[in-house]
Amino acid sequence: DADVTQTPRNRITKTGKRIMLECSQTKGHDRMYWYRQDPGLGLRLIYYSFDVKDINKGEISDGYSVSRQAQAKFSLSLESAIPNQTALYFCATSQGYEQYFGPGTRLTVT
Amino acid sequence: EDQVTQSPEALRLQEGESSSLNCSYTVSGLRGLFWYRQDPGKGPEFLFTLYSAGEEKEKERLKATLTKKESFLHITAPKPEDSATYLCAGHSGSARQLTFGSGTQLTVLP
Repeated sequence: DADVTQTPRNRITKTGKRIMLECSQTKGHDRMYWYRQDPGLGLRLIYYSFDVKDINKGEISDGYSVSRQAQAKFSLSLESAIPNQTALYFCATSQGYEQYFGPGTRLTVT
Repeated sequence: EDQVTQSPEALRLQEGESSSLNCSYTVSGLRGLFWYRQDPGKGPEFLFTLYSAGEEKEKERLKATLTKKESFLHITAPKPEDSATYLCAGHSGSARQLTFGSGTQLTVLP
């Protein structure tokens, strides 16, 4: 079984809809991250959490919110999706500096 | 502001043709330089961490090296299965996050 799982793997939604992406990990790591990846722009950090009570904005947090429900679960929400949020979204975990990534969620906002 | 720049953006090699990928960085108080491999539509897969100038790490046909300003990923006698995008990232002592380069897309032709 994968150490870091993401659901859903693919999602198509309409402008204005609320959507939640979920991440679970079995690695026992304290730190979790949400990134988005766009062609030519690389990976950009949206939010990160060092434990259940420590949540921080990343480089591009506008339009997104997160919830750390437990050590192993970290969810990303788009309150009102817009087309330029179409991207590949990755969750990652770490205990030290090395981060381990999930398989990604491909989100399309029409 | 921390920056990581990778070159070239894309590289096509014949099977067996060795080459190097470059990662230039300006990361304050570098705590680690990381290399990842990413296959299309999948999450980045951790390859190496380098902590100090002069350090080298090897895995199969890949060798990563680090200087005070750059890191190189040397690929010796590549095979088609080495085709992927290779990402590098730096972790600073002040920020609590990785800064990623935009990647080098490597294609190895049989």
